[in-house]
Amino acid sequence: AQKITQTQPGMFVQEKEAVTLDCTYDTSDQSYGLFWYKQPSSGEMIFLIYQGSYDEQNATEGRYSLNFQKARKSANLVISASQLGDSAMYFCAMIFVSGGYQKVTFGTGTKLQVIP
Amino acid sequence: EAQVTQNPRYLITVTGKKLTVTCSQNMNHEYMSWYRQDPGLGLRQIYYSMNVEVTDKGDVPEGYKVSRKEKRNFPLILESPSPNQTSLYFCASSLGGGFYEQYFGPGTRLTVT
Repeated sequence: AQKITQTQPGMFVQEKEAVTLDCTYDTSDQSYGLFWYKQPSSGEMIFLIYQGSYDEQNATEGRYSLNFQKARKSANLVISASQLGDSAMYFCAMIFVSGGYQKVTFGTGTKLQVIP
Repeated sequence: EAQVTQNPRYLITVTGKKLTVTCSQNMNHEYMSWYRQDPGLGLRQIYYSMNVEVTDKGDVPEGYKVSRKEKRNFPLILESPSPNQTSLYFCASSLGGGFYEQYFGPGTRLTVT
């Protein structure tokens, strides 16, 4: 079974500083996808970034980058130059696909608060 | 506009009264899924569907039913709701058969008294 662990229930970061949100995963499969989603206080789920298990380069999307360390089974999200609008819940998720089977597992989330 | 819609957005009901939460997407996505979000537990997958007439259990399927008769619709049915099903529910869709981002609906906040 797949499992995602986010060990930081809450974090603070100063505006304009960088912050790393931790995500570790547990799977015996070789092929999987890792995602990060943002959930602002308004409640919607927003896709941020994706990393495939076979991708050799770390994914980047604007101010977001994913620090992927396959051997350590970690997929940490790095947000550079934090902005007040980055205050939100952040969820790490994994997709496993095999034949007619496609399951998604989410972590418990990290609440990020950006301080002016 | 590409979107996933859910109805109702808010629902208060009583124990045992059958209810259906509708979900519809206009992106011709094969994959659709239901999640519940509870404080401290993140999102947990209830059921998913790989395509029309193909559904499977997620991690927390007890007390829920789904059907996929049309590609665009994936309703969630609670035949006899109980207070422990009070939660925030999300429907999501994506392209199927691979590692694709999911598009989420706005959520349905359900309270069962």
